[in-house]
This record gives sequence, C-alpha cells and structure tokens, in this order.
Amino acid sequence: AQSVTQLGSHVSVSEGALVLLRCNYSSSVPPYLFWYVQYPNQGLQLLLKYTTGATLVKGINGFEAEFKKSETSFHLTKPSAHMSDAAEYFCAVSESSGTYKYIFGTGTRLKVLA
Amino acid sequence: EAGVAQSPRYKIIEKRQSVAFWCNPISGHATLYWYQQILGQGPKLLIQFQNNGVVDDSQLPKDRFSAERLKGVDSTLKIQPAKLEDSAVYLCASSSGVYNEQFFGPGTRLTVL
Repeated sequence: AQSVTQLGSHVSVSEGALVLLRCNYSSSVPPYLFWYVQYPNQGLQLLLKYTTGATLVKGINGFEAEFKKSETSFHLTKPSAHMSDAAEYFCAVSESSGTYKYIFGTGTRLKVLA
Repeated sequence: EAGVAQSPRYKIIEKRQSVAFWCNPISGHATLYWYQQILGQGPKLLIQFQNNGVVDDSQLPKDRFSAERLKGVDSTLKIQPAKLEDSAVYLCASSSGVYNEQFFGPGTRLTVL
C-alpha cells in the first residue's frame, strides 16, 4: 500500500529565506508524485509533479522538487520565501498504473515571517 | 477555461439530518473525484467516477454516503443521516484522464452540530 509522510505540520521561515518542505513516500511500484498548495478557503492547486524523466522538477511560483528514489523522498524547495507563499502544502503519491488514485500527506502549514 | 464549480460553499446542519453537495467538473473531463478533508488532515478519496461509472468507492461509507454522476457530467454527493464526525471540507476534482492532473474545486465546508 502507498503512503505519504510529511515531516513537520508547521514550518516557519523568514521572508527571503530558503523554504524546505519534506515529503517521504512508500510505494511498491514506480510512483507519480505531486505537490499541491491550498490557500485559505480555496481548493488545491498543483505546484509541480513528477511522472517520469528528469528527477528535478520545476513548478510554479519558483518552487522545485527533486525525486530521490534511493531516499524515497520528494522534498519541495524554494530559494527565497515570499509572504504570499504562506499556505498549506500537500504532498501526494499515486501509482503509475491502474486507477492512479492519489494518497495525500497530512500537510505542512508554511508561515512566512516579515 | 472555467474551473471546477461546487455548491454550496458552506453548510451547517444538525446530526441525523441529510445534506447534498453538487459538483460541476471542467468541461470535457471524464474523471471526477470526491474527497473528504477533515481539519488537520490531507484529502481522502471517497469516490472516483470515470464518465458514469464508479472506478473506486472503497473508502465511501456506503451506509450513509451516496454519490451519482448522471450523464457523465455533474455529480452529487449525499450524506443521510449526518454524524458529527462528517464535519469536514468536501472537495470535488476532475481530470481529463485518470493519469492526468486533477483540478480541484473550492470545496464545501460542512459543519454538523
């Protein structure tokens, strides 16, 4: 069975500092991996996804993530945090076949300090 | 293109009452999903439709929850009767295929008193 673990339910960074949100997964088959962002009272918006190919994936708003199979990780980074990045971030995994059902992590709430 | 539409945005009911949520997916999207997001948790898939048919409803509490997708477009999710633990945000998502990106609606926040 697939699962996702997001370390740190709350992360605080200063504006301009590096953002690092951690995601580890377990999957018995090659996974598809996703990062979504959720602003208050809104639905989820896709930041980036890894399916196949290049393991360093660039997304919107300056975010990127690297798929590391040996570490079963897909951590999200951004070199310089902006106040508008404050939101909740969800990592998700799906199988690369079958129903492609998404399994979401419990989320990490990012706070950006002025 | 228009996004996934959901209504109502907020609903407050008492336990044992019934409630229904509506979702209109992005035009042309064959796959539709309903998720339950309890406060402090990630979204959990309740049911997945491919056109009119159910692909996965393994986590749908079928004794109280039901969902339908008539004509392969709009969908409704119903809870009857509601319990306190059903308080959550119910998210609808759609995709052009099961292997494609899911687009999420704004959700319906349900409070059961």
